[in-house]
Amino acid sequence: QSVLTQPPSVSAAPGQKVTVSCSGASSNIGSHFVSWYRRLPGTAPQLLIYEDNKRPSWIPDRFSGSKSGTSATLGITGLQTGDEADYYCGVWDGSLSAYVFATGTEVTVL
Amino acid sequence: QVQLVQSGAEVMQPGASVKVSCKTSGYTFTNYGVSWVRQAPGQGLEWMGWINGYNGNTQHAQRFQGRLTLTTDTPTTTAYMELRSLRSDDTAMYYCAREFCDPARCFGPDFWGRGTQLTVSS
Repeated sequence: QSVLTQPPSVSAAPGQKVTVSCSGASSNIGSHFVSWYRRLPGTAPQLLIYEDNKRPSWIPDRFSGSKSGTSATLGITGLQTGDEADYYCGVWDGSLSAYVFATGTEVTVL
Repeated sequence: QVQLVQSGAEVMQPGASVKVSCKTSGYTFTNYGVSWVRQAPGQGLEWMGWINGYNGNTQHAQRFQGRLTLTTDTPTTTAYMELRSLRSDDTAMYYCAREFCDPARCFGPDFWGRGTQLTVSS
């Protein structure tokens, strides 16, 4: 269990858009920056989004992040089969004095 | 380029200790810290703690207090994670990652090692 909540899975057809939600509280998402990570099967997690909505230079603009209140959202447009992976949001929690991750969302390309 | 290279897989007995290394390169070691994150089979990511590459200050997740020791060796830009009193539920993939923290919070890992598989079994 985590203090952050994500849906277990989302799916869409190739070329479509998916969104992954991450719900938290005032002690975490409500007051600190959210990051998003992707873990492809058998590989280490990769940073996709940092500081709520910024992309590292090597991440394509198909990936976007947004935040409102105590919830954050990852968007993936132009879905590709190579996007099939587990996606995690992460954020500092001031009450726990720890960085926390959600349990992850499996993205499936139909 | 930023790289974090971890030591190899370990198989340990319950009650033992394990020490995993993380050799970093491609950035100024003292400008960042190193976090340790684990993922048990079928579970999500779990942040264990962080060590400041400049002064060795640490932050630990509450559940690892007393069992976890994080250290660094600045001349070799290497970070170490020691976990004691191992249990079967410590079986997991352990990742080191570069992370920046200020006195109030951590900002999330950015570059990650490939992971070290730890198996705890008698």
